[in-house]
Amino acid sequence: DAGVTQSPTHLIKTRGQQVTLRCSPISGHKSVSWYQQVLGQGPQFIFQYYEKEERGRGNFPDRFSARQFPNYSSELNVNALLLGDSALYLCASSLWQDKSNEKLFFGSGTQLSVL
Amino acid sequence: KQEVTQIPAALSVPEGENLVLNCSFTDSAIYNLQWFRQDPGKGLTSLLLIQSSQREQTSGRLNASLDKSSGRSTLYIAASQPGDSATYLCAVRETGTASKLTFGTGTRLQVTL
Repeated sequence: DAGVTQSPTHLIKTRGQQVTLRCSPISGHKSVSWYQQVLGQGPQFIFQYYEKEERGRGNFPDRFSARQFPNYSSELNVNALLLGDSALYLCASSLWQDKSNEKLFFGSGTQLSVL
Repeated sequence: KQEVTQIPAALSVPEGENLVLNCSFTDSAIYNLQWFRQDPGKGLTSLLLIQSSQREQTSGRLNASLDKSSGRSTLYIAASQPGDSATYLCAVRETGTASKLTFGTGTRLQVTL
């Protein structure tokens, strides 16, 4: 079975532009989460979606938005890009059935560079 | 606010050594703690998950312990190999904000020949 797939793998944008990142979860997983990882730091939670509904939101500005589609794939959108948005964006999927034993499976990420 | 700290930030050991990585967290109201491995520029691979009711988990040469009351976890790697070189991250899932994992900043491990 395929793991979590993310596209594109690398992206270069300029300040003020908009970007869309895509994620396909592991087959059978209905929950998708997005994390931002700045170089040298641990990942920071952005969003969680389950059954196409937002279930959690991290401390990110409204320029960040996401959605989940009927096939459970997800998109992360970032508007009005800032230099500080340069980071590795990670998508993770899970079953979301037992929180005490909930293991996240991560994709390889999208490396976004804002110039 | 939950804070997760990992010590040391970086570690270099010769091949064959046993080593311990440390993780501490400030709020003990957690569902579980996970240890991840991350290779440069890559995603995270889950190594071990310890539920809040458990004391330890083992997988091959890896053993993770959890002391929830003191807010500490350790990852023990036996007989280290050059292929173990990576950044190791710990993360907790809190009961109050179950949607998210809160990560530490990681320990960068280098195993030398």
